Amino acid sequence: GQNIDQPTEMTATEGAIVQINCTYQTSGFNGLFWYQQHAGEAPTFLSYNVLDGLEEKGRFSSFLSRSKGYSYLLLKELQMKDSASYLCAVHSNYQLIWGAGTKLIIKP
Amino acid sequence: KAGVTQTPRYLIKTRGQQVTLSCSPISGHRSVSWYQQTPGQGLQFLFEYFSETQRNKGNFPGRFSGRQFSNSRSEMNVSTLELGDSALYLCASSPVEGTGALAKNIQYFGAGTRLSVL
Repeated sequence: GQNIDQPTEMTATEGAIVQINCTYQTSGFNGLFWYQQHAGEAPTFLSYNVLDGLEEKGRFSSFLSRSKGYSYLLLKELQMKDSASYLCAVHSNYQLIWGAGTKLIIKP
Repeated sequence: KAGVTQTPRYLIKTRGQQVTLSCSPISGHRSVSWYQQTPGQGLQFLFEYFSETQRNKGNFPGRFSGRQFSNSRSEMNVSTLELGDSALYLCASSPVEGTGALAKNIQYFGAGTRLSVL
């Protein structure tokens, strides 16, 4: 079957760094995507990885290891507005297969 | 460029009724995907359309159907509504022209239609 796992919830402190992990098992792989979703809003695209390694975009970075079926999203200098759910998704056979999301709680 | 537009934003229906939701993709995007999102369930894939053809379908009953028009706008229909159909329905478009990875597979979401079935 196809499966994507990520922690249900994480808590971090404002100004700190947090790493959200994602492991996947899918029949195909055309890229791994990270989205942010604030409560009551639609998901918004953050980053994607196709090749192994680290992709950096400002305070956010995403890492991929295809051989291990593993990715992480790294958020630096956390701000209160980063409180949201973070969704990991794998593109396979014309569709994105989604994890259940990680709810990130930021404390002052 | 305008984003993905979904109408209506909110709907209240009763069991047994049917509903049609509409999605207008970003101009130039030809792929449209539909998702159901409920608390604790994450995003559940319904179907994906490209050039008026359904390319992929999730594990939903036949009461859920969709279509795409020549201008890439898409509709989804749910017949014989059940209480469990209450959810946020999201539409996403992407510029993908065919198979392959890279940025063409990024999906851009509309604000969603929140359906409540009473």
